[in-house]
Amino acid sequence: GESVGLHLPTLSVQEGDNSIINCAYSNSASDYFIWYKQESGKGPQFIIDIRSNMDKRQGQRVTVLLNKTVKHLSLQIAATQPGDSAVYFCAEKLNAGNMLTFGGGTRLMVKP
Amino acid sequence: EAGVTQSPTHLIKTRGQQATLRCSPISGHTSVYWYQQALGLGLQFLLWYDEGEERNRGNFPPRFSGRQFPNYSSELNVNALELEDSALYLCASSLFRFEQFFGPGTRLTVL
Repeated sequence: GESVGLHLPTLSVQEGDNSIINCAYSNSASDYFIWYKQESGKGPQFIIDIRSNMDKRQGQRVTVLLNKTVKHLSLQIAATQPGDSAVYFCAEKLNAGNMLTFGGGTRLMVKP
Repeated sequence: EAGVTQSPTHLIKTRGQQATLRCSPISGHTSVYWYQQALGLGLQFLLWYDEGEERNRGNFPPRFSGRQFPNYSSELNVNALELEDSALYLCASSLFRFEQFFGPGTRLTVL
């Protein structure tokens, strides 16, 4: 479904290219970060996470980079495929709590 | 292994009515979280339940409430519905204080 609105930043990439989605988080006390992918009509799907004691973590075709100095998180997707088209959210968790605070989302569009 | 399930998929109510949304967590998960995703906005944290207790709530009025049952399933109740309550309501579950896995959501429409 139309999970997010009309004013999402959009990244358009060619199939096979690498994608980089960026996120600025808000709280320097956050100790855990997650990237989610949300396709139309579905709930967010866990992609990859990283704890604050790491700078980089790799998964299958995805890499998350964390720069705590500037409170920046990025998701790199290698060899982007049409099935990667979705809205991507970063989320942070404060050490003191358990709920996630989500960023506004980025829409990734993959052109065949 | 079944993921997080939510019911109903869609719910249509009129202003002033009450809505009840249900969530079943992944087997073995003891924490359940509720989020609201309104059109044009990101996900907003509503409630967190763990071991049957409300552990935290987001910045929502008291007419948003819920509970967690002994089998860890959960219910979200929204009283005195307002038009701006129309949104996708997402439930997530976790076992430890890290990964949260989401269900497909319930689309609530208030007319």
